[in-house]
Amino acid sequence: SAVISQKPSRDICQRGTSLTIQCQVDSQVTMMFWYRQQPGQSLTLIATANQGSEATYESGFVIDKFPISRPNLTFSTLTVSNMSPEDSSIYLCSVAVGTYGYTFGSGTRLTVV
Amino acid sequence: QKEVEQNSGPLSVPEGAIASLNCTYSDRGSQSFFWYRQYSGKSPELIMSIYSNGDKEDGRFTAQLNKASQYVSLLIRDSQPSDSATYLCAVNDSGGSNYKLTFGKGTLLTVNP
Repeated sequence: SAVISQKPSRDICQRGTSLTIQCQVDSQVTMMFWYRQQPGQSLTLIATANQGSEATYESGFVIDKFPISRPNLTFSTLTVSNMSPEDSSIYLCSVAVGTYGYTFGSGTRLTVV
Repeated sequence: QKEVEQNSGPLSVPEGAIASLNCTYSDRGSQSFFWYRQYSGKSPELIMSIYSNGDKEDGRFTAQLNKASQYVSLLIRDSQPSDSATYLCAVNDSGGSNYKLTFGKGTLLTVNP
């Protein structure tokens, strides 16, 4: 299965600032997914990122708040903009691997103070 | 709104026992079903996938699927303390967005030595 390197692993940020999270995959993949996992909750899909096109956002998530880049088939970034304490969460990138399910990066634990 | 329901637990079993984890889903057209294990502070790790009705065994793990009842389960035989984690059920969306997964909130399993 694919190996995903995600960074940073954690960060503490001031409200009103932005943080960019990076994911690097060791193989070319068509789609990359960005999830959020709030404390004690399950995973919620933020958006799907395809190379060469705009990301597709799920209901409740907007591009101005969570801009995504997908410059090539192995890399993507998610930016959390104008952060507030409610954005404190774990952010995960993921890729689909054939019919074998989805592999996740190690996650970014974000705390906004 | 597609839903995946799991008992939140905690489910507590003694070492060596069988742990039974259950999941129901609302999207009747779903075709792919996954079980993830998530240790505290870590990202989800795929442990089982199942696509056809019936049982699928992999080592100490058995996944069971009943599409008519919209029910999927995971059995862990000879449970070990290292199995203590949150288990997430994930189901793919049917239709044009079948690459997307909906996750349950997870069941916390504790295996007592």
